[in-house]
Amino acid sequence: DAGITQSPRYKITETGRQVTLMCHQTWSHSYMFWYRQDLGHGLRLIYYSAAADITDKGEVPDGYVVSRSKTENFPLTLESATRSQTSVYFCASGSPETQYFGPGTRLLVL
Amino acid sequence: AQTVTQSQPEMSVQEAETVTLSCTYDTSESDYYLFWYKQPPSRQMILVIRQEAYKQQNATENRFSVNFQKAAKSFSLKISDSQLGDAAMYFCATYPQGTYKYIFGTGTRLKVLA
Repeated sequence: DAGITQSPRYKITETGRQVTLMCHQTWSHSYMFWYRQDLGHGLRLIYYSAAADITDKGEVPDGYVVSRSKTENFPLTLESATRSQTSVYFCASGSPETQYFGPGTRLLVL
Repeated sequence: AQTVTQSQPEMSVQEAETVTLSCTYDTSESDYYLFWYKQPPSRQMILVIRQEAYKQQNATENRFSVNFQKAAKSFSLKISDSQLGDAAMYFCATYPQGTYKYIFGTGTRLKVLA
């Protein structure tokens, strides 16, 4: 199916573990984005990518790593998870002016 | 710094009535876009309406319309003939051209009463 998907949808992990959240889009959009959503903060941009092999930091990049070897995939890695990274993570693709969001991944760090 | 403020954490409206959600923003950019997104309980972010700052005409999408006051930096969303399916969190956001960064407000929870 065309669209944007995220996996896993739910994840429980422990402090210090590495976690990778996957994002896949079938539209061949150049731009992809990662956000986190926390109560009281709305959505905040973590990283974005303008094209394959081009990434840049957003508002809250610390503790996260991204890569974009293929246009359709934009994985987000928490290298050493912390409790403060418990959140709902959204991936989006599109143009800067129009973004289409994935269904989100709920991450709990114990 | 770019900011978006939604001063109404929660609003209620009777089914079939009209409700207006408020949003103010601050940006130093002259070129920008404004958005309203809907987030139902499924958590999916759905684009409701988009406004380009250089356009004076207010955007409309069926029952959804905006009141864009550029000088006042205000961007309110009006929902007419409210339906039960309109119940959701609504987020206002701005995208200053060339920054590649959306700035979101903290959201307004809309309840629709039958």
